[in-house]
Amino acid sequence: AQKITQTQPGMFVQEKEAVTLDCTYDTSDPSYGLFWYKQPSSGEMIFLIYQGSYDQQNATEGRYSLNFQKARKSANLVISASQLGDSAMYFCAMSPDSSYKLIFGSGTRLLVRP
Amino acid sequence: AAGVIQSPRHLIKEKRETATLKCYPIPRHDTVYWYQQGPGQDPQFLISFYEKMQSDKGSIPDRFSAQQFSDYHSELNMSSLELGDSALYFCASSIDRNNEQFFGPGTRLTVL
Repeated sequence: AQKITQTQPGMFVQEKEAVTLDCTYDTSDPSYGLFWYKQPSSGEMIFLIYQGSYDQQNATEGRYSLNFQKARKSANLVISASQLGDSAMYFCAMSPDSSYKLIFGSGTRLLVRP
Repeated sequence: AAGVIQSPRHLIKEKRETATLKCYPIPRHDTVYWYQQGPGQDPQFLISFYEKMQSDKGSIPDRFSAQQFSDYHSELNMSSLELGDSALYFCASSIDRNNEQFFGPGTRLTVL
């Protein structure tokens, strides 16, 4: 079965601190992509970061980094120096090469406190 | 930079009516995906097209159909609408199938 699990329904973080959002995945495909999307209250889905299953290095995009541990099947998102505008729902997703569709987790709602 | 365009942004329909949602992918993107996100839910994959051919099918009801046209835009046709079809419908596009998918702003469909 192909599945994404996000075990944190909601999280708080203080402004300017770092926060880690957990994501574990399950797939039998040898090749796949892992993604994080941000969904603010306005509803749009904003692509944040991508990690390929064969990438040796962890992906980074500005304040976002993906902590990829293949053996543990985890792909945690780290947001450094949190800002008030980071308050949103965050979805982890996987795209196995056998189908290319995105399989989403249930999301983590992050609230950044001033 | 150009983004995915979806129209309309909001749509209100009665039960048993039909609806057509349109998606214009980012220029040079050849793959289009449709997702449905119910209230408080994660997005669920409906269907995808690569180079104007259907490439994958998810949990799309038989009442729904979709196609990708020669200019790569796509339309999702929904018939015999039900209350449970009320959701946010996203279109996403990518260059080829194994790349990041960029989402449009979504069409919020309300069925009364």
